[in-house]
Amino acid sequence: DQQVKQNSPSLSVQEGRISILNCDYTNSMFDYFLWYKKYPAEGPTFLISISSIKDKNEDGRFTVFLNKSAKHLSLHIVPSQPGDSAVYFCAAIGDSGYALNFGKGTSLLVTP
Amino acid sequence: NAGVTQTPKFQVLKTGQSMTLQCAQDMNHNSMYWYRQDPGMGLRLIYYSASEGTTDKGEVPNGYNVSRLNKREFSLRLESAAPSQTSVYFCASAGGGWYGYTFGSGTRLTVV
Repeated sequence: DQQVKQNSPSLSVQEGRISILNCDYTNSMFDYFLWYKKYPAEGPTFLISISSIKDKNEDGRFTVFLNKSAKHLSLHIVPSQPGDSAVYFCAAIGDSGYALNFGKGTSLLVTP
Repeated sequence: NAGVTQTPKFQVLKTGQSMTLQCAQDMNHNSMYWYRQDPGMGLRLIYYSASEGTTDKGEVPNGYNVSRLNKREFSLRLESAAPSQTSVYFCASAGGGWYGYTFGSGTRLTVV
């Protein structure tokens, strides 16, 4: 049963605009969340993370927001650049967890 | 460069053949993982090793075996390959008190 859900398989955004990628989770024991970015023919690379004690974490153009009551997190990319075109995976883990639980990914295309 | 190294990068097998995917990390991480990525399915955990000398099943372990040879190396073996095992396989490691993974670049396996 998928505990981390990314319901949008794809997203297309114009360069310079904001990209918003969404992620929902079902397990209330999750307390740490991460976003990974994956280019074709490469392994996923870590992008940004957030602990459940926070509701926002920012790193340059990337901001992750966490809404614990809704079990929802989102990744904002502002401004979007063509080099951001990739698949983005949301992942989560709890204290008693043994491995990250990944969503199915969202493919972002940033057009010039 | 420090990181996770996977070999081979590509492999074509006939149904029923066996092979071992190799993974090595040089970051002194305790935990290592094997995931497979299939279209529309995201990253699914096959096996993991929380520390040297231990291995456990993940979400999709059927048809695979693993060996944690030492702290650096974690191999994945297909004893009798099936077309359903056609996938991209990623090895990852984690450690240092952080939940995030470092991924290898992947092995693209085709079983015909």
